[in-house]
Amino acid sequence: GAVVSQHPSRVICKSGTSVKIECRSLDFQATTMFWYRQFPKQSLMLMATSNEGSKATYEQGVEKDKFLINHASLTLSTLTVTSAHPEDSSFYICSARVGAEAFFGQGTRLTVV
Amino acid sequence: AQSVTQLGSHVSVSEGALVLLRCNYSSSVPPYLFWYVQYPNQGLQLLLKYTSAATLVKGINGFEAEFKKSETSFHLTKPSAHMSDAAEYFCAVSEPPNAGKSTFGDGTTLTVKP
Repeated sequence: GAVVSQHPSRVICKSGTSVKIECRSLDFQATTMFWYRQFPKQSLMLMATSNEGSKATYEQGVEKDKFLINHASLTLSTLTVTSAHPEDSSFYICSARVGAEAFFGQGTRLTVV
Repeated sequence: AQSVTQLGSHVSVSEGALVLLRCNYSSSVPPYLFWYVQYPNQGLQLLLKYTSAATLVKGINGFEAEFKKSETSFHLTKPSAHMSDAAEYFCAVSEPPNAGKSTFGDGTTLTVKP
Protein backbone atom coordinates (compact mmCIF):
# COMPACT_ATOMS: atom_id res chain seq x y z
CA GLY A 1 0.00 0.00 0.00
CA ALA A 2 0.88 3.66 -0.16
CA VAL A 3 3.33 4.92 2.45
CA VAL A 4 2.92 8.16 4.35
CA SER A 5 5.84 9.36 6.43
CA GLN A 6 5.41 11.83 9.24
CA HIS A 7 8.26 13.67 10.93
CA PRO A 8 9.14 14.10 13.69
CA SER A 9 7.59 11.26 15.64
CA ARG A 10 8.06 13.09 18.91
CA VAL A 11 8.79 16.70 19.72
CA ILE A 12 9.02 18.70 22.90
CA CYS A 13 8.92 22.46 22.66
CA LYS A 14 8.76 25.37 25.03
CA SER A 15 5.58 27.30 25.49
CA GLY A 16 5.39 30.22 23.07
CA THR A 17 7.54 28.66 20.38
CA SER A 18 6.42 27.21 17.05
CA VAL A 19 6.86 23.68 15.80
CA LYS A 20 6.53 22.26 12.30
CA ILE A 21 5.31 18.75 11.50
CA GLU A 22 5.89 17.24 8.06
CA CYS A 23 3.72 14.74 6.24
CA ARG A 24 5.15 13.14 3.11
CA SER A 25 3.72 10.70 0.63
CA LEU A 26 6.69 8.54 -0.26
CA ASP A 27 5.61 6.57 -3.30
CA PHE A 28 2.65 8.46 -4.66
CA GLN A 29 1.40 11.96 -5.25
CA ALA A 30 -1.25 13.29 -2.93
CA THR A 31 -3.29 16.26 -4.00
CA THR A 32 -5.26 16.05 -0.77
CA MET A 33 -4.00 15.40 2.72
CA PHE A 34 -5.79 15.56 6.05
CA TRP A 35 -4.62 16.57 9.50
CA TYR A 36 -6.13 15.03 12.61
CA ARG A 37 -5.64 15.57 16.30
CA GLN A 38 -6.01 12.90 18.93
CA PHE A 39 -6.15 13.54 22.66
CA PRO A 40 -5.23 10.70 25.03
CA LYS A 41 -7.78 7.92 25.10
CA GLN A 42 -9.91 9.74 22.56
CA SER A 43 -10.74 9.46 18.91
CA LEU A 44 -9.30 11.35 15.98
CA MET A 45 -10.75 14.74 15.20
CA LEU A 46 -10.31 16.20 11.75
CA MET A 47 -8.58 19.55 11.93
CA ALA A 48 -8.23 20.51 8.30
CA THR A 49 -8.07 19.37 4.71
CA SER A 50 -4.89 20.30 2.91
CA ASN A 51 -5.07 20.78 -0.86
CA GLU A 52 -1.96 21.09 -2.98
CA GLY A 53 -1.52 24.58 -4.30
CA SER A 54 -4.43 26.12 -2.46
CA LYS A 55 -5.48 27.17 1.02
CA ALA A 56 -6.38 24.55 3.54
CA THR A 57 -9.97 24.07 4.63
CA TYR A 58 -10.31 24.13 8.40
CA GLU A 59 -12.97 22.42 10.44
CA GLN A 60 -15.19 24.49 12.65
CA GLY A 61 -13.48 25.53 15.84
CA VAL A 62 -9.93 25.07 14.57
CA GLU A 63 -7.87 28.27 14.63
CA LYS A 64 -6.32 28.65 11.21
CA ASP A 65 -3.85 31.27 12.45
CA LYS A 66 -2.60 28.92 15.11
CA PHE A 67 -2.41 25.78 13.00
CA LEU A 68 -0.79 26.81 9.75
CA ILE A 69 -1.01 24.29 6.95
CA ASN A 70 1.05 24.41 3.80
CA HIS A 71 0.76 21.95 0.92
CA ALA A 72 3.29 23.31 -1.53
CA SER A 73 4.02 20.10 -3.39
CA LEU A 74 2.25 16.90 -4.33
CA THR A 75 4.22 14.94 -1.77
CA LEU A 76 4.50 17.24 1.21
CA SER A 77 2.10 18.93 3.60
CA THR A 78 3.24 20.70 6.75
CA LEU A 79 1.43 21.66 9.90
CA THR A 80 2.94 24.43 11.98
CA VAL A 81 1.67 24.94 15.50
CA THR A 82 2.39 28.58 16.24
CA SER A 83 2.92 30.01 19.71
CA ALA A 84 2.34 26.61 21.20
CA HIS A 85 0.87 26.25 24.66
CA PRO A 86 0.53 23.22 26.94
CA GLU A 87 -3.08 22.71 25.83
CA ASP A 88 -1.77 22.09 22.30
CA SER A 89 0.00 18.99 23.55
CA SER A 90 -1.51 16.14 21.61
CA PHE A 91 -0.97 13.43 19.03
CA TYR A 92 -1.16 14.83 15.51
CA ILE A 93 -1.73 12.47 12.59
CA CYS A 94 -1.81 13.15 8.89
CA SER A 95 -3.31 11.11 6.10
CA ALA A 96 -3.21 11.22 2.33
CA ARG A 97 -6.09 10.29 0.10
CA VAL A 98 -5.58 7.60 -2.51
CA GLY A 99 -8.74 6.80 -4.39
CA ALA A 100 -11.40 5.81 -1.92
CA GLU A 101 -9.20 5.49 1.11
CA ALA A 102 -6.66 7.32 3.17
CA PHE A 103 -3.25 6.21 4.33
CA PHE A 104 -2.02 7.46 7.66
CA GLY A 105 1.32 8.61 8.91
CA GLN A 106 2.71 7.28 12.15
CA GLY A 107 1.77 10.41 14.06
CA THR A 108 3.65 13.08 15.98
CA ARG A 109 3.50 13.32 19.74
CA LEU A 110 3.77 17.02 20.61
CA THR A 111 4.50 18.00 24.18
CA VAL A 112 4.55 21.68 25.08
CA VAL A 113 6.31 22.49 28.33
CA ALA B 1 -23.70 14.43 7.70
CA GLN B 2 -21.81 11.29 8.57
CA SER B 3 -21.30 9.76 11.97
CA VAL B 4 -20.10 6.56 13.57
CA THR B 5 -21.03 4.90 16.84
CA GLN B 6 -18.88 2.19 18.29
CA LEU B 7 -20.74 0.19 20.90
CA GLY B 8 -18.53 -0.74 23.80
CA SER B 9 -15.45 1.29 24.61
CA HIS B 10 -13.76 -1.79 26.07
CA VAL B 11 -14.00 -5.39 24.94
CA SER B 12 -12.20 -8.22 26.66
CA VAL B 13 -11.87 -11.71 25.22
CA SER B 14 -9.82 -14.79 25.96
CA GLU B 15 -7.11 -15.88 23.59
CA GLY B 16 -8.68 -18.09 20.94
CA ALA B 17 -12.17 -16.68 21.44
CA LEU B 18 -14.28 -14.84 18.92
CA VAL B 19 -13.69 -11.11 18.58
CA LEU B 20 -16.70 -8.93 17.82
CA LEU B 21 -16.38 -5.15 17.71
CA ARG B 22 -19.53 -3.25 16.87
CA CYS B 23 -19.91 -0.24 14.62
CA ASN B 24 -23.02 1.55 13.43
CA TYR B 25 -22.93 4.40 11.00
CA SER B 26 -25.04 7.21 9.67
CA SER B 27 -24.56 8.65 6.23
CA SER B 28 -26.60 10.70 3.79
CA VAL B 29 -25.14 8.82 0.82
CA PRO B 30 -23.89 5.25 0.32
CA PRO B 31 -20.81 5.34 2.51
CA TYR B 32 -17.30 4.09 2.50
CA LEU B 33 -16.50 2.31 5.76
CA PHE B 34 -13.19 1.44 7.34
CA TRP B 35 -11.72 -0.31 10.33
CA TYR B 36 -8.34 0.77 11.63
CA VAL B 37 -6.11 -0.52 14.39
CA GLN B 38 -3.84 1.65 16.52
CA TYR B 39 -1.10 0.48 18.82
CA PRO B 40 0.13 2.80 21.59
CA ASN B 41 1.81 5.95 20.32
CA GLN B 42 1.53 4.84 16.74
CA GLY B 43 -0.51 5.88 13.74
CA LEU B 44 -3.40 4.02 12.22
CA GLN B 45 -3.19 0.85 10.20
CA LEU B 46 -6.00 -0.05 7.85
CA LEU B 47 -7.53 -3.42 8.64
CA LEU B 48 -10.17 -3.45 5.95
CA LYS B 49 -12.50 -1.27 3.93
CA TYR B 50 -15.91 -1.34 2.31
CA THR B 51 -16.34 0.73 -0.83
CA SER B 52 -19.60 -0.58 -2.31
CA ALA B 53 -18.33 -3.89 -3.62
CA ALA B 54 -18.81 -7.17 -1.73
CA THR B 55 -20.65 -6.71 1.55
CA LEU B 56 -18.42 -9.21 3.35
CA VAL B 57 -14.99 -7.74 3.47
CA LYS B 58 -11.87 -9.62 4.45
CA GLY B 59 -8.92 -7.76 5.84
CA ILE B 60 -5.50 -8.36 7.27
CA ASN B 61 -4.64 -10.49 10.28
CA GLY B 62 -7.76 -12.63 9.91
CA PHE B 63 -10.26 -9.84 10.46
CA GLU B 64 -13.42 -9.42 8.45
CA ALA B 65 -16.49 -7.20 8.52
CA GLU B 66 -19.92 -7.31 6.99
CA PHE B 67 -21.72 -4.29 5.66
CA LYS B 68 -25.43 -4.48 6.51
CA LYS B 69 -27.33 -1.61 5.02
CA SER B 70 -30.61 -2.52 6.69
CA GLU B 71 -28.95 -2.37 10.09
CA THR B 72 -26.53 0.46 9.21
CA SER B 73 -23.83 -1.68 10.72
CA PHE B 74 -20.27 -2.66 9.90
CA HIS B 75 -19.18 -4.96 12.72
CA LEU B 76 -15.64 -6.30 12.87
CA THR B 77 -15.01 -9.95 13.67
CA LYS B 78 -12.17 -12.40 14.03
CA PRO B 79 -12.78 -16.07 14.74
CA SER B 80 -9.89 -16.57 17.12
CA ALA B 81 -8.22 -13.81 19.11
CA HIS B 82 -4.48 -13.61 19.44
CA MET B 83 -2.55 -11.78 22.11
CA SER B 84 -1.13 -9.48 19.44
CA ASP B 85 -4.66 -8.29 18.61
CA ALA B 86 -4.77 -6.25 21.81
CA ALA B 87 -4.99 -2.65 20.61
CA GLU B 88 -7.36 0.24 19.96
CA TYR B 89 -9.76 -0.19 17.07
CA PHE B 90 -11.49 2.60 15.21
CA CYS B 91 -14.40 2.45 12.82
CA ALA B 92 -14.59 5.28 10.32
CA VAL B 93 -16.95 6.51 7.64
CA SER B 94 -16.46 8.78 4.68
CA GLU B 95 -18.85 9.92 2.02
CA PRO B 96 -17.95 9.85 -1.65
CA PRO B 97 -16.76 11.99 -3.32
CA ASN B 98 -15.01 13.23 -0.16
CA ALA B 99 -13.30 9.90 0.30
CA GLY B 100 -10.51 10.16 2.84
CA LYS B 101 -12.23 12.88 4.85
CA SER B 102 -13.29 10.52 7.56
CA THR B 103 -15.32 10.66 10.71
CA PHE B 104 -14.10 8.29 13.37
CA GLY B 105 -15.86 6.49 16.14
CA ASP B 106 -14.67 6.85 19.72
CA GLY B 107 -12.69 3.66 19.51
CA THR B 108 -12.82 0.28 21.21
CA THR B 109 -10.00 -1.03 23.34
CA LEU B 110 -9.57 -4.73 22.83
CA THR B 111 -7.96 -6.70 25.63
CA VAL B 112 -6.96 -10.31 25.07
CA LYS B 113 -6.57 -12.47 28.14
CA PRO B 114 -4.24 -15.47 28.11
